[in-house]
Amino acid sequence: GQNIDQPTEMTATEGAIVQINCTYQTSGFNGLFWYQQHAGEAPTFLSYNVLDGLEEKGRFSSFLSRSKGYSYLLLKELQMKDSASYLCAVSEGNTPLVFGKGTRLSVIA
Amino acid sequence: EPEVTQTPSHQVTQMGQEVILRCVPISNHLYFYWYRQILGQKVEFLVSFYNNEISEKSEIFDDQFSVERPDGSNFTLKIRSTKLEDSAMYFCASSEPDRGNQPQHFGDGTRLSIL
Repeated sequence: GQNIDQPTEMTATEGAIVQINCTYQTSGFNGLFWYQQHAGEAPTFLSYNVLDGLEEKGRFSSFLSRSKGYSYLLLKELQMKDSASYLCAVSEGNTPLVFGKGTRLSVIA
Repeated sequence: EPEVTQTPSHQVTQMGQEVILRCVPISNHLYFYWYRQILGQKVEFLVSFYNNEISEKSEIFDDQFSVERPDGSNFTLKIRSTKLEDSAMYFCASSEPDRGNQPQHFGDGTRLSIL
């Protein structure tokens, strides 16, 4: 079966750092993706991890531990425009993306 | 930057009617997908398409649905005999040939409202 868990909602302060966790249980694994989705808009690609460790991309970093079935997305220097849903999605290789329910992040002043 | 484009942005249809949702994937991409997202719920996979045929489909993608690549650029999703529960955002996505580790790029979606 497939199971991807992430917190439903988080709130953080402008300028701060926030970490959004994702745990997964899938029958196969060929990479984990993070997408950002503003309300009513399409998911936009943020990051990809296939090997253990940290991938950094500007204010965004993503970490993966395959043995623990765990990933997190780290957002630094939060801005108001970062208020959005963050979707964790797993590629099982020859199958399409399996999405979690998303974490709705609210950035407050 | 190349984009996946979808039309229409919003479609309102009477229950029982047929709808066709259109997508133009990014030109050098070879894998195409349809996903849907019911309001407030997660993004769900419907179907993937490669080399002019369906490569995978989910349980949601039953006989009511079909996909087609009628020419070299368009990729369509047809929904026959629409039902109220088909109301959702429908996203088209595409990815480069090595799809295992290439991100899928999503279009802006079509909001389908069934009355």
